[in-house]
Amino acid sequence: AQTVTQSQPEMSVQEAETVTLSCTYDTSESDYYLFWYKQPPSRQMILVIRQEAYKQQNATENRFSVNFQKAAKSFSLKISDSQLGDAAMYFCAYRSAYSGNQFYFGTGTSLTVIP
Amino acid sequence: IAGITQAPTSQILAAGRRMTLRCTQDMRHNAMYWYRQDLGLGLRLIHYSNTAGTTGKGEVPDGYSVSRANTDDFPLTLASAVPSQTSVYFCASSDSWGESPLHFGNGTRLTVT
Repeated sequence: AQTVTQSQPEMSVQEAETVTLSCTYDTSESDYYLFWYKQPPSRQMILVIRQEAYKQQNATENRFSVNFQKAAKSFSLKISDSQLGDAAMYFCAYRSAYSGNQFYFGTGTSLTVIP
Repeated sequence: IAGITQAPTSQILAAGRRMTLRCTQDMRHNAMYWYRQDLGLGLRLIHYSNTAGTTGKGEVPDGYSVSRANTDDFPLTLASAVPSQTSVYFCASSDSWGESPLHFGNGTRLTVT
């Protein structure tokens, strides 16, 4: 099984500032997919952004972008111009391109946005 | 609206009782999953199904069973609930392979007393 590590259980950011959430993973595979999910207090799981390992360009979705470092097995999420609605639990996830359909999740980072 | 429906939303269950959590999707996804979410442990895979008629064990399968009689439904059964099964349970689905993400239901909060 793949291992996904989120080393920051909690983070905080001032409204309008930028914050980076870290995620590392352990794999011997060359192709895979990485995802960031957001879980607000409503409990709903929302896809934020995705990245394929073979794509060199870092994915971007509006204020959300990733810093994908394949050699370092790192997949951090940057949130720019933080808003109160960004306050949530954020989960990093890994999906193999080869072996089955399983997704592996990190333990999550709880983000607080300070007004 | 296409998506995943889970029922019930929440449940309090006496230890030793049998309980089935229901999950239905209308996106025609081949793969379906059950996760449990516990504070500090993230989401852990209980069981999964790559296609109708097949199931597989995840990271924490003990005490749970699943079936996949058709594409749309993937119920999770606790044969004899124990307090350690108190958790939030998420059903999810995805297209097979590729960058298709997981689509989640809204979860079931289960408390075993």
